[in-house]
This record gives sequence, structure tokens and C-alpha cells, in this order.
Amino acid sequence: AQKVTQAQTEISVVEKEDVTLDCVYETRDTTYYLFWYKQPPSGELVFLIRRNSFDEQNEISGRYSWNFQKSTSSFNFTITASQVVDSAVYFCALRGYSSASKIIFGSGTRLSIRP
Amino acid sequence: KAGVTQTPRYLIKTRGQQVTLSCSPISGHRSVSWYQQTPGQGLQFLFEYFSETQRNKGNFPGRFSGRQFSNSRSEMNVSTLELGDSALYLCASSKDRANTGELFFGEGSRLTVL
Repeated sequence: AQKVTQAQTEISVVEKEDVTLDCVYETRDTTYYLFWYKQPPSGELVFLIRRNSFDEQNEISGRYSWNFQKSTSSFNFTITASQVVDSAVYFCALRGYSSASKIIFGSGTRLSIRP
Repeated sequence: KAGVTQTPRYLIKTRGQQVTLSCSPISGHRSVSWYQQTPGQGLQFLFEYFSETQRNKGNFPGRFSGRQFSNSRSEMNVSTLELGDSALYLCASSKDRANTGELFFGEGSRLTVL
């Protein structure tokens, strides 16, 4: 079975603080893909990053960074110096090789950045 | 380039009715996937279409169906609506099969069943 767990339902921080969103996944596939998506109030999910199971390098994109650790089955997302515009629901997702095109989403973390 | 377009954005139906939702993918994208989002169940995969063929299906009853046209536009249909079908229905497109590339989502069709 494949599963994505985002234990943090809601996080609220003050602007300019750093914040980390946790994601833990389960899969029996040795080949799989992990994703993070952002859902602003308008509703559409915005793709942030894809990582395959063979690439454990951490990635940084501006204020965003991702920490992929196969040993703990985690794919955490950190926002540095948060801004009000970062307020949204963030989803971690998994696509296992055996599940073809079906992507499993976590339950999401609602992030609120207070000015 | 234009993003994924879903119509209608909002609609209200009553139990027992049927509904058809439309999705126009990004130009050049051939794969279209549908997801249902509810507060209780979160985001759940409905089905994926590629080259006018359903390639994968989630765990939904047969009341949920879809199709894809030769221009890659897709429709999904829900028959005999139930209160629990109230949800945001999201369509996503990708250039090829949705299994490796990122998905580009539309803003969704919010269905309310009374």
C-alpha cells in the first residue's frame, strides 16, 4: 500500500520566520516520485517540485528548500523568511512505479503567515 | 500559454441528477487526470485519460465516468448524484503520461449537491 502522511494539519507563523512542513511516505516500490504542490485560495494546485527515488540530493529554489531522506521515508519542505503570500495549503504527494499514473496525496498542511 | 481550463466553475445540483464537467488541457498536453477534493477524504484520484483511452481508475463507483476527445479535451460525468458527491473536482494535464511529469491543475469545478 502507498500512503503519504502530513501530520501537521495547520501551522501559523509570523512573517519572516522559517517554517518546515513535514511529509512521511510509505511505498513498497523501489522506484517512485515525490511531489510538493501548493494550493492557494483560488483552488488550483501549483506544482513546486518533483523528486525521484534515486536522487537524494537536497534542492534549494530561492526561499524554498527540500530535504529528501530515504532512510526515514521523509520529504520535508522548508520555507525560509516566510512571506504572507506563502499562505496556502501545501500537499505532499507520491507516485509509485507500480501504481502507473495514480498519484497519492497527503491530507495537506494549511500554512498561515501572519504579518 | 493558457493553463488548464475547467467549466463550469460552480454548479448546484439536486440528488438524483447528473452532471458533466469539462476540462481543456494545456495545448500540447495529451494526458488528463481527474481528482475529487473533499474536506473529509482529501484529494482522491478518479481517473486518467491518455490518447482518448482511460489508462487508470481510482476507487470510485461506476456512477463516475469520463471520456477524452481527439483534441485531448476531457469530460467527466457523475450520474445519480448523492449528497456526498459535493466536492471540488480538479482536472490536471501533463504532456505525457501523468506518471513522471508534473501535473498542471485547473482551478476546479465546485459541485454542490442539495
